[in-house]
Parts: sequence; structure tokens; C-alpha cells
Amino acid sequence: DSGVTQTPKHLITATGQRVTLRCSPRSGDLSVYWYQQSLDQGLQFLIQYYNGEERAKGNILERFSAQQFPDLHSELNLSSLELGDSALYFCASSGEGVSGGYTFGSGTRLTVV
Amino acid sequence: AQSVTQLGSHVSVSEGALVLLRCNYSSSVPPYLFWYVQYPNQGLQLLLKYTSAATLVKGINGFEAEFKKSETSFHLTKPSAHMSDAAEYFCAVSVALPFSGGYQKVTFGTGTKLQVIP
Repeated sequence: DSGVTQTPKHLITATGQRVTLRCSPRSGDLSVYWYQQSLDQGLQFLIQYYNGEERAKGNILERFSAQQFPDLHSELNLSSLELGDSALYFCASSGEGVSGGYTFGSGTRLTVV
Repeated sequence: AQSVTQLGSHVSVSEGALVLLRCNYSSSVPPYLFWYVQYPNQGLQLLLKYTSAATLVKGINGFEAEFKKSETSFHLTKPSAHMSDAAEYFCAVSVALPFSGGYQKVTFGTGTKLQVIP
């Protein structure tokens, strides 16, 4: 157990639908990062939050949004889903400073049918 | 800006042979460097990290990596491969962004899948 909790582990939904992925960071970590991993695109950085505020954006589609709540958990919302959105979505967290690296959750596998 | 290049998207070694996974980085400031491992259907797990102390870093499962500034490299090695080492390995570089209150930007390589042949 890495200390980063992601739910649900698996999600199957139809095209056009909306889903919410949830992440609880490791205790004490203020930063949360979302990544998408697919076979053809590899590990893609989506977005980062630090203590409730958006800090950095990567290759996140406009159909996707995220937020970090006062208790530091984060949610990634994916809407108008397409077949190409099928992927593993990872959440990672980190503490202060640059030397600690990230702690990853076990991911949510999203399948869009 | 920083970047990471992993040479070889797939590497195959025989069980018991040396494992060498290559990583070169680019950074305008002193970097922190990491290797992560991802087993099938799991998240990334930190193997080891370089944080400007010893240049030879030992990690879990018998892996080690050497920071070579002159070559801008951080290659991952293990003397003898085990079947259980079959996984995907990611190199990453982290730098601090100035005036950011400790915010770090981590850039991941594209990954190297290690196959261990019995």
C-alpha cells in the first residue's frame, strides 16, 4: 500500500457519459498529480494541484476537469467520453521539496464502450 | 526546461544476466533523478533516487544507478536479472521551480519494458 488511494479500480462506461475518479493523497502530501497512461501515448501528465489550487496543466482535454478539496482529496472529472479515453488514470502525491519524488496510487482503469 | 531520454523502449535479457537500462537527462539546474518500476496493472513504484549525495545510488530489489554529470546519464543496473524483474521502468528528473514555495516539476521518460528470458 503506497498510501495513495484511488477509487474506483475499474470503471466501464458508454461513450458520451461522464465519470468521476477520486484520489486521496498520502498523509501530509499537499500536491496531487493526475496522469493518463495508454498503450499508444504512454504516461501523460494531465494536471497538478497544490493545497487546493491548480499549479500546472499538461495535456488535459477541455472535456476533462479536476479539483482538490479542503481535505486534500482530488477528483478528476471526465465528460463526453470517447473510445479513445479508455486508459489507466493514475494519481500521485508529493510533499514539499523536490527530492522526494512522487508516490503513485494503483490507478483507475477506465474502459469506454 | 528539463527532459529525459530512455534509450530502448524494449530490452530483453536472459535470467542471471546483467540488466542495463539507459537514461540520459537534460536540465539547466542541478537535477534530482529517479527510477520507477511499474508491474503489470499496478502503479509506478519508486526504485531509487539521486538527491546530490552519493553518485552511486542503491535501490530496492538489488538495483542501483550511477549519476554521471559529465555524461548527463543515470543508467539503471542490476548484476543478475530475475524473472520477477520483468516490468516497465521509467526514469524521471525533478527540478525546483523558483519562487514556487517548493513546487517541483517532474518529467518522466517514455519507459523501457524489460523482458527476462528463462
